[in-house]
Amino acid sequence: SAVISQKPSRDICQRGTSLTIQCQVDSQVTMMFWYRQQPGQSLTLIATANQGSEATYESGFVIDKFPISRPNLTFSTLTVSNMSPEDSSIYLCSVKGGSDGYTFGSGTRLTVV
Amino acid sequence: GEDVEQSLFLSVREGDSSVINCTYTDSSSTYLYWYKQEPGAGLQLLTYIFSNMDMKQDQRLTVLLNKKDKHLSLRIADTQTGDSAIYFCAEISGYSTLTFGKGTMLLVSP
Repeated sequence: SAVISQKPSRDICQRGTSLTIQCQVDSQVTMMFWYRQQPGQSLTLIATANQGSEATYESGFVIDKFPISRPNLTFSTLTVSNMSPEDSSIYLCSVKGGSDGYTFGSGTRLTVV
Repeated sequence: GEDVEQSLFLSVREGDSSVINCTYTDSSSTYLYWYKQEPGAGLQLLTYIFSNMDMKQDQRLTVLLNKKDKHLSLRIADTQTGDSAIYFCAEISGYSTLTFGKGTMLLVSP
């Protein structure tokens, strides 16, 4: 299955600033997915990123707050913009790997102070 | 929307079997997954089952699927302290995206 390198693994940021999270995959994949996991909660899909087109956002998430780039088939970034303490979460990227399983990155633990 | 439900907490003693249960509502689910999340880490795919199967075994893990009742379980034999983690059930159908349960925290005591 695909191997994902996600960074940073954690960060503490000031409110009002932005953080860009990167995911690098060791093979070409059509779709990459970005999730948010709020403290003590399950995973919520933010958006699906396809190469060469704009990301598709789920209800409750907007491009101005969570801009996504997908410059090629092995890389994507998610930016959390104008952060507030409510954005403190774990952010994870995911791809559909081999054998019909979905592989996840190790996550980025974001704390906004 | 579709829903996936899990019990929130399970406590077992080392060496016992653990059974984590999950129910889902989407009758067109094609694949069902179990993921493990250790503290501060991402999600690790443990196993998955295709909807036309009723059982899958992989070493200490046994997945049972009752499609009629939309019930999925994960049995961990000879549970070890290293199995302590949060276990997420997830399902997918057609071209939709993964729907996760809220996770079951498994605590294994020596």
